[in-house]
Amino acid sequence: GENVEQHPSTLSVQEGDSAVIKCTYSDSASNYFPWYKQELGKGPQLIIDIRSNVGEKKDQRIAVTLNKTAKHFSLHITETQPEDSAVYFCAASGSNQGGKLIFGQGTELSVKP
Amino acid sequence: GAVVSQHPSWVICKSGTSVKIECRSLDFQATTMFWYRQFPKQSLMLMATSNEGSKATYEQGVEKDKFLINHASLTLSTLTVTSAHPEDSSFYICSAALLAGVYEQYFGPGTRLTVT
Repeated sequence: GENVEQHPSTLSVQEGDSAVIKCTYSDSASNYFPWYKQELGKGPQLIIDIRSNVGEKKDQRIAVTLNKTAKHFSLHITETQPEDSAVYFCAASGSNQGGKLIFGQGTELSVKP
Repeated sequence: GAVVSQHPSWVICKSGTSVKIECRSLDFQATTMFWYRQFPKQSLMLMATSNEGSKATYEQGVEKDKFLINHASLTLSTLTVTSAHPEDSSFYICSAALLAGVYEQYFGPGTRLTVT
């Protein structure tokens, strides 16, 4: 089955710096890769996603890149702000998983003012 | 759009009692709903997948008689934790998929269950 590895587990940056979180997946049939932001005590919030027919997608300060050959995808947050502090999860899905999301272990991002 | 609610947001119950958690898609019809549990500082663990009008599909290791799931309509799924024990204390989160096979899932705010 699919397996998703996420790194780093914790990331601390200064306000205004960029943050990068990386994930690798094992199933080459996976074709949907969402990123979720989870604040303490709340449910995950979809912040951006990408499908396997696209290499990069951007939404304001957030971008996701996908390398299908290497089977890895990354989340890039530019000009970080304290309110970006949260746990970020990557996930992968595809027809092999029947629509289920396979999550990475999560990255706790701390943005210091 | 794509808002999912859960009720209650937190609940405390005594050991041996049952607790029901509701998950509703407020502005769309969800063909599939998912139930997850999450322990502190851990990732989400999928418990089961439910489709409207059919029996839920449970992940390996999840007791179907303990975690009863009902998906009565395209906007409502319920999870009942039966004969709860302290080890069932966790954060339970549901999600709803907009369309079958499209994969986007929208998550509810979660329910904190504490069993005393």
